Amino acid sequence: DTGVSQDPRHKITKRGQNVTFRCDPISEHNRLYWYRQTLGQGPEFLTYFQNEAQLEKSRLLSDRFSAERPKGSFSTLEIQRTEQGDSAMYLCASSLAEGGFEQFFGPGTRLTVL
Amino acid sequence: GNSVTQMEGPVTLSEEAFLTINCTYTATGYPSLFWYVQYPGEGLQLLLKATKADDKGSNKGFEATYRKETTSFHLEKGSVQVSDSAVYFCALAGGSYIPTFGRGTSLIVHP
Repeated sequence: DTGVSQDPRHKITKRGQNVTFRCDPISEHNRLYWYRQTLGQGPEFLTYFQNEAQLEKSRLLSDRFSAERPKGSFSTLEIQRTEQGDSAMYLCASSLAEGGFEQFFGPGTRLTVL
Repeated sequence: GNSVTQMEGPVTLSEEAFLTINCTYTATGYPSLFWYVQYPGEGLQLLLKATKADDKGSNKGFEATYRKETTSFHLEKGSVQVSDSAVYFCALAGGSYIPTFGRGTSLIVHP
């Protein structure tokens, strides 16, 4: 068990560019979550998948954000036309849908939009 | 909607002092409650959890009791160590609940 991994760990981009992040969950976990975290705040829920189905999406999530989990394993989060306000740490977590609901977090991808 | 409120930090203590970090929640029904910890330079990791009222979660000397009547899940430790310095997040989740985290409370423990 290698834990949850995220790639890249850091991304610097210019305003208006598109970026894509990848998350590989713990292999037997069927739920996968994406969060955004800014300095001094807790993780803010963005969306989650159970297997390949996207079950919930935050109402605060801009249409510029899209996530996929095509085969129920890894997931990608894309941000189109990035804005400076998108600068944050993007966290991925995975869990089992049954049982204790505890989540296992990856190290995060830090996005800086110039 | 659901929400989690934590006491603001930083909390600064001397080694071997008693720790309390307050957490209250707002939710319909009875979600599972969690404390996560984030050590400097690391990702969030589960510290303890409780899944129903009056359950006590415990780990590494930390404890928290799920109090339905006060909608609280306060984190306590009898004697903190320098190595406990970290940011602590209270959260609710489970079933159909959207995971909701508090803002985090920074703990600084001095030798």
